Amino acid sequence: DAMVIQNPRYQVTQFGKPVTLSCSQTLNHNVMYWYQQKSSQAPKLLFHYYDKDFNNEADTPDNFQSRRPNTSFCFLDIRSPGLGDAAMYLCATSSTGSMNTEAFFGQGTRLTVV
Amino acid sequence: AQTVTQSQPEMSVQEAETVTLSCTYDTSESDYYLFWYKQPPSRQMILVIRQEAYKQQNATENRFSVNFQKAAKSFSLKISDSQLGDAAMYFCAYRSRGADGLTFGKGTHLIIQP
Repeated sequence: DAMVIQNPRYQVTQFGKPVTLSCSQTLNHNVMYWYQQKSSQAPKLLFHYYDKDFNNEADTPDNFQSRRPNTSFCFLDIRSPGLGDAAMYLCATSSTGSMNTEAFFGQGTRLTVV
Repeated sequence: AQTVTQSQPEMSVQEAETVTLSCTYDTSESDYYLFWYKQPPSRQMILVIRQEAYKQQNATENRFSVNFQKAAKSFSLKISDSQLGDAAMYFCAYRSRGADGLTFGKGTHLIIQP
């Protein structure tokens, strides 16, 4: 019954080597979010897609990009990972068309940069 | 920009006792949503309880209830009859109406003593 699925759960990448994290959802929600959560810190919103419209947070580094090819999938691309990008990356979804206002989260991808 | 403050990095409570987690927030908006999310170790973030700002009545979900004080911009979570499974990181979060993402507090680590 997994509703928001993130792959992989753990990702190790080399310094400067592009990496892509993926998220899929079975909820048919029109909004998808990417958060970065560093150790012992609160999740921080990087960007979100409202349908096909991309909304970037003002302080999200250019190194982070995202793609949403269809309703179900969303990708986070890190073009040149640095040591400071090591974190848990959380994908979440929500629907603006329902009375439910909550966001549903995936289990996250823990990224290690070596 | 909205901010969310959780002033208790860690709380400890005996099993079966009651504990209250504090949260304050700052916003110039009049209509918004507030949430408490639970993040167990190495597990996904799940919604505990939500509150719509336009509702005066405090939300309750079984053993979980909130004390929402809109004028004071305070949103505390009370957990009654604490259980070992309640041990987790608890995040208070704010969301504007629409598709904007969540603004999280820094979290409170809740420890349940058997």
